[in-house]
Amino acid sequence: SAVISQKPSRDICQRGTSLTIQCQVDSQVTMMFWYRQQPGQSLTLIATANQGSEATYESGFVIDKFPISRPNLTFSTLTVSNMSPEDSSIYLCSAERRVGGTDTQYFGPGTRLTVL
Amino acid sequence: RKEVEQDPGPFNVPEGATVAFNCTYSNSASQSFFWYRQDCRKEPKLLMSVYSSGNEDGRFTAQLNRASQYISLLIRDSKLSDSATYLCVVNNSEYSSASKIIFGSGTRLSIRP
Repeated sequence: SAVISQKPSRDICQRGTSLTIQCQVDSQVTMMFWYRQQPGQSLTLIATANQGSEATYESGFVIDKFPISRPNLTFSTLTVSNMSPEDSSIYLCSAERRVGGTDTQYFGPGTRLTVL
Repeated sequence: RKEVEQDPGPFNVPEGATVAFNCTYSNSASQSFFWYRQDCRKEPKLLMSVYSSGNEDGRFTAQLNRASQYISLLIRDSKLSDSATYLCVVNNSEYSSASKIIFGSGTRLSIRP
């Protein structure tokens, strides 16, 4: 498995501000991703963090709202911009490793965001 | 129809019981399958991959039925610590691509003493 850390683990933010979440993997991985999980719901993929190029966003998510950086193969950041209460959620990063011939995702502990 | 469907539960069973969850998927070309476990306020953690021949890990048995497009998870001799939400995950991509990974909404399991 991969050891993945995220910070902050939680934050309470004011409407209109931005928060940057950091994700660190214990070794180099090709693929890193950012997900959102709202209370009582399953995970929704926000984007794939590409090293050396712009992130690939899923439908409904845009770079202006969720800018992502991936400066190297072990680190990525997600910024939640101009926050509103609807952005309150858990944000999870994941890294993919090949295990037994199957690409498998491992998750960081998540960042619990509350927007007032 | 959702791409991956699970019974949301909750399943409330006594300690020591055997419990089974099913998950159905809509894309017949799906490539790989997983069960993840998510504890309250924690991140999902890989429980086991699901192989075509079926696989077992201790008290946990996973099976795949490609013809009927469903995956199952069987937990024998359940423990209090098995209480969690179990997520069925399907990867529809032949190549590494997170955008093809679909999470079910999860099945909640509660084991009572």
